[in-house]
Amino acid sequence: EVQLVESGGGLVQPGGSLRLSCAASGFTFSSYWMSWVRQAPGKGLEWVANIKQDGSEKYYVDSVKGRFTISRDNAKNSLYLQMDSLTAEDTAVYYCARDRVAAADWGQGTLVTVSS
Amino acid sequence: QSALTQPASVSGSPGQSITISCTGTSSDVGTYNYVSWYQQHPGKAPKLMIYEVSNRPSGVSNRFSGSKSGNTASLTISGLQAEDEADYYCSSYTRSSTLVFGTGTKVTVL
Repeated sequence: EVQLVESGGGLVQPGGSLRLSCAASGFTFSSYWMSWVRQAPGKGLEWVANIKQDGSEKYYVDSVKGRFTISRDNAKNSLYLQMDSLTAEDTAVYYCARDRVAAADWGQGTLVTVSS
Repeated sequence: QSALTQPASVSGSPGQSITISCTGTSSDVGTYNYVSWYQQHPGKAPKLMIYEVSNRPSGVSNRFSGSKSGNTASLTISGLQAEDEADYYCSSYTRSSTLVFGTGTKVTVL
């Protein structure tokens, strides 16, 4: 059974940083693109970033370029999202998802709240 | 990277069919057959219902079907059931190698 478990969310002040993690199991992690998707409270889904199997390609939504960094550790079956220079607009539930264009598997999400 | 356009809400009575549209541009929906549809119930993670325009993952009811014409993709739910009441989102791969979601549609079963 595929499992994706996010962690690392919480309350952070504007301008602060946070690192999200996603622990994967039940599939060959190193064989899949992985993605981060977020959803602000009461709002729709927004794709944030994705990363190729070997980490050689990474793509970001314009609003996080230069502030967020996606990475992975295939030896640890883990996906990460380093978030810097956070603003209130980054407040959302962050999901990790398996695959690049059609995510059949999602984590339960971790809430990031940016507030003073 | 503008969001794909979906109607805010669609409703129907049990047993009826409804269709949700998802309008993009020639940089996304119009060029690529990587259109997906997701169902999301309140407080839950999204669930993949359709991938590559019209393919259903294993376990998804055949009441759900997808299609595409030009820059617009569509999701049809036939034989509407109470459990289909949820938010639905489309997504598409883009020319920039990114992904874009639709604005979301709330489906209400009357």
